[in-house]
Parts: sequence; C-alpha cells; structure tokens
Amino acid sequence: GQNIDQPTEMTATEGAIVQINCTYQTSGFNGLFWYQQHAGEAPTFLSYNVLDGLEEKGRFSSFLSRSKGYSYLLLKELQMKDSASYLCAVRNNAGNMLTFGGGTRLMVKP
Amino acid sequence: DVKVTQSSRYLVKRTGEKVFLECVQDMDHENMFWYRQDPGLGLRLIYFSYDVKMKEKGDIPEGYSVSREKKERFSLILESASTNQTSMYLCASKGDPRLNYGYTFGSGTRLTVV
Repeated sequence: GQNIDQPTEMTATEGAIVQINCTYQTSGFNGLFWYQQHAGEAPTFLSYNVLDGLEEKGRFSSFLSRSKGYSYLLLKELQMKDSASYLCAVRNNAGNMLTFGGGTRLMVKP
Repeated sequence: DVKVTQSSRYLVKRTGEKVFLECVQDMDHENMFWYRQDPGLGLRLIYFSYDVKMKEKGDIPEGYSVSREKKERFSLILESASTNQTSMYLCASKGDPRLNYGYTFGSGTRLTVV
C-alpha cells in the first residue's frame, strides 16, 4: 500500500525559516519529489531526491532519509509569495508513476 | 519548455450531461495521467495511459472513462456527470529529464456540476 503523510497547514513569518515534513510508507521507492502549488494553479516542480542527504536550490532545500521513510522541504528567508501548498510525492519502482501526499498549505504572514 | 494544455479553465455542466475534458502535450511523452484534486483529499489518480490506445485504471475510475487516440492527446470523459464530480481536474505528462522525469501538469480545469 501507499501512505504519504504531511501536515495539513503551517503558518510562518516573512523572513523566517520553515520546515515541511513528509513521511512515507510505500511498496516501492524510486525517488521523492516536492511540488509547489499556488491557489487555483497547477503544481510546479521544486525538487527531487533519490539518494539520502540534502539537495539545495537557492532558498529551497530538500532532505531525504530512505531508511526512515522521511523527507523535508526547507524554505529560508520566507517571502509572501511562498504562500502556497507544498506536495510531497513518491515515485514507484517502475519509475512511471507518482503517489502524492495530501499537501501542506503554508501561509506566510508579514 | 514542455507544455501541457487543458482546453478549459472553468466549466459548468448539468447533472446527467456527458463531459469531455481535453489535455494535449507537446513533447511526445508516452505517459499521461488524469487526477482530481479535492480539499483534504489531495491528488487522486483517475486514469493513466502509457501509450496510444492504452489505458489503465487509477484509484478512483468509477464514473469516468478515457481516450488516447493520438500520443499527444489524453481525454477524460464523464459519461453522466454528477454533483460529486465537481472538482479540480489536473492532467499531467511524464518524461521531461529536466524535471528528473517527474510530472508536468496542465493548468487544471475546475468543473462544477449543477
């Protein structure tokens, strides 16, 4: 079976750092993705991890621990435009499908 | 850039109508997907296709069918729309190496069935 858990909502202050966690229990694993989705828009690709460790891309970083079934997305120097939903997704062994968590709605306040 | 185009952003249909949602991608990708997205339920897979004329059921196929007559086009069909099919529908295509072969999504169709 597939189970991917994320917090439903988080609130943070402009300029701060926020960490969004994702835990997964899946029958197969071939990489983990993070997507950003602004209200009423399509999800857009943010990051990808397949090996353990931290991937950094500007203000955003993503971490993976395969043994713990755990990932997090770290957003630094938060801006108002970072208010969005963040979706964690796991790719199956065959590499042809993603299963999504329910998403975390992040609200950035001044 | 890969483009995935959904024909309508907003649709309002009556109960019992047959509804067609169209999705076109321009990168010759083999894999295409239809999801619906509802508050608190996340993205749920309806149908997917690995190639022309191929289709596979996802997690919630009831009340839906699909058509893939050409590689670039993947259509979702609601045979007889019902109010519980009011939702945001997202089409996705897979195959862009710049995205680590993750998905490229269309802009979504918000369907309201009245």
